Amino acid sequence: AQKVTQAQTEISVVEKEDVTLDCVYETRDTTYYLFWYKQPPSGELVFLIRRNSFDEQNEISGRYSWNFQKSTSSFNFTITASQVVDSAVYFCALSSHAGNNRKLIWGLGTSLAVNP
Amino acid sequence: DAGITQSPRHKVTETGTPVTLRCHQTENHRYMYWYRQDPGHGLRLIHYSYGVKDTDKGEVSDGYSVSRSKTEDFLLTLESATSSQTSVYFCAIRLAGENEQFFGPGTRLTVL
Repeated sequence: AQKVTQAQTEISVVEKEDVTLDCVYETRDTTYYLFWYKQPPSGELVFLIRRNSFDEQNEISGRYSWNFQKSTSSFNFTITASQVVDSAVYFCALSSHAGNNRKLIWGLGTSLAVNP
Repeated sequence: DAGITQSPRHKVTETGTPVTLRCHQTENHRYMYWYRQDPGHGLRLIHYSYGVKDTDKGEVSDGYSVSRSKTEDFLLTLESATSSQTSVYFCAIRLAGENEQFFGPGTRLTVL
């Protein structure tokens, strides 16, 4: 069975601090995809990144970086020099490669509060 | 912007009434999805579609039906709404050959 665990329910930091959001996944598939989405207080779901299981390179996009480690089944997300606008719920998700479905298995999210 | 709209954005209805939510996309994407989001449960797949008139059930499909008579519209129907169907409903699309999904703005449904 596939599963995504985001152990941190809520995190509170002060602006400019670095913060890492943890994501651990379970799957028996050899090819799979991992995602991060952001849900700001306004409620929309914003796609941030997709990582393929065969590509373990870490990725950096501005203040955001992602660390994918197959050995520990983790796909962690770090925000460097956090800002108030980063306050949101962040979701990690997993999908398999096969079939029409490609449904996303979601973690329960981590609520990040960045305080001025 | 994936060109996805949902209507209505907010709805309050009474138990036992039928409700239809509409998802509309402008870019002819083949794959469309309906999710519900609830505290403590995250997002859960209700139904999905892989083409006109091609739909299948997700993990929480009981009490819901869907229809897709044209590429751009994916309708979610609650035949007889119950209070347990109070939720935020999100529609999503997925590009063929890709894996990420892009979401509409959501519909907040309250069943009294």
